[in-house]
Amino acid sequence: DAMVIQNPRYQVTQFGKPVTLSCSQTLNHNVMYWYQQKSSQAPKLLFHYYDKDFNNEADTPDNFQSRRPNTSFCFLDIRSPGLGDAAMYLCATSRATGVDIQYFGAGTRLSVL
Amino acid sequence: GEDVEQSLFLSVREGDSSVINCTYTDSSSTYLYWYKQEPGAGLQLLTYIFSNMDMKQDQRLTVLLNKKDKHLSLRIADTQTGDSAIYFCAIPGGGNKLTFGTGTQLKVEL
Repeated sequence: DAMVIQNPRYQVTQFGKPVTLSCSQTLNHNVMYWYQQKSSQAPKLLFHYYDKDFNNEADTPDNFQSRRPNTSFCFLDIRSPGLGDAAMYLCATSRATGVDIQYFGAGTRLSVL
Repeated sequence: GEDVEQSLFLSVREGDSSVINCTYTDSSSTYLYWYKQEPGAGLQLLTYIFSNMDMKQDQRLTVLLNKKDKHLSLRIADTQTGDSAIYFCAIPGGGNKLTFGTGTQLKVEL
């Protein structure tokens, strides 16, 4: 059973049209992360939530926002997508204690036309 | 921030061993991880090693850690075509953060 679920798997949007990507988890983990992964590159952390505490990476553009309305769900909002934002977006969760493994969803591949 | 480097490609024949290397500049003293990514998919945790260990074996996988040289390696014994994927090492920094390596694409040839 999938534990970190991302919807949709593929998303196409138009240049400048806001888009929201969704992530849900059944693990009851404290921490949820959003990564951006461009082709042939390593995942790059955009931000993460520790419970309701939002932690933005210093180099994450303002165009990227996130919401975590409850423990299970986290959203990535891209306010005005540009061509350079086309990428795979990966959501991950962790307990933040002990081994603190990050569990990843299957990702959403975003195309910007 | 941390720099985490891996070689980009590795090609092996089916049945041979594969060794994927990772070097890093800094790490907090917790666990170091290896993830596998198949085409179009998310990252799957393969194995991890605690930073006070120098070796961990898990079935076909052997992880070696040299803290002095800041070098981590993953050995896959009896490599199969299903092992073809991109392998990322992931090194923890502070505050729940992981820094991923550049990824090594493993190609297994018949």
